[in-house]
Amino acid sequence: QKEVEQDPGPLSVPEGAIVSLNCTYSNSAFQYFMWYRQYSRKGPELLMYTYSSGNKEDGRFTAQVDKSSKYISLFIRDSQPSDSATYLCAMSHYNQGGKLIFGQGTELSVKP
Amino acid sequence: DVKVTQSSRYLVKRTGEKVFLECVQDMDHENMFWYRQDPGLGLRLIYFSYDVKMKEKGDIPEGYSVSREKKERFSLILESASTNQTSMYLCASSVVQSRTDTQYFGPGTRLTVL
Repeated sequence: QKEVEQDPGPLSVPEGAIVSLNCTYSNSAFQYFMWYRQYSRKGPELLMYTYSSGNKEDGRFTAQVDKSSKYISLFIRDSQPSDSATYLCAMSHYNQGGKLIFGQGTELSVKP
Repeated sequence: DVKVTQSSRYLVKRTGEKVFLECVQDMDHENMFWYRQDPGLGLRLIYFSYDVKMKEKGDIPEGYSVSREKKERFSLILESASTNQTSMYLCASSVVQSRTDTQYFGPGTRLTVL
């Protein structure tokens, strides 16, 4: 079993839809949770990060962490065609020396 | 803004060639990483480095080596390229003891081995 599991999709939604992207993990030591966005033919860029459990909101994006269930989510409200990209979850704990564990990535397409 | 650059966006090499992929970061980061990215497999860590002349194996080091002679530069070397090394290669850097271990990525090098 992989440490981090993410549904690879692809996921196709109409413009304006609410999108939910999810990851599950097995290592209860993870404390830092990140979402990266990767446009086609580009490197991943950090979208959001959260520490431990709870929610964090940034504009149309909300990151949610449920450590008791070992489950993290990224919600995108009012999705736009410009949100079409691959979204990767990543996580780490303090003693990993800077290493991140990534999910496989979910490919999202938002249709006009 | 953190900037991580990679020497080539696209590269085509022949089986058996020695291949060098270069990565440079301009933010004085101590940590640097090399990943490969393949459909359905996500990002897999090849090698990483905490400091100049230091290197650690990642999850898939076989067939690769690295060099870090200067803090800002981290090179990935394919000693004898094979077709199964056709992939997207991504370099990243981060700050030691960063609270979040956030990594900053370069644009990637798409390598094709014929």
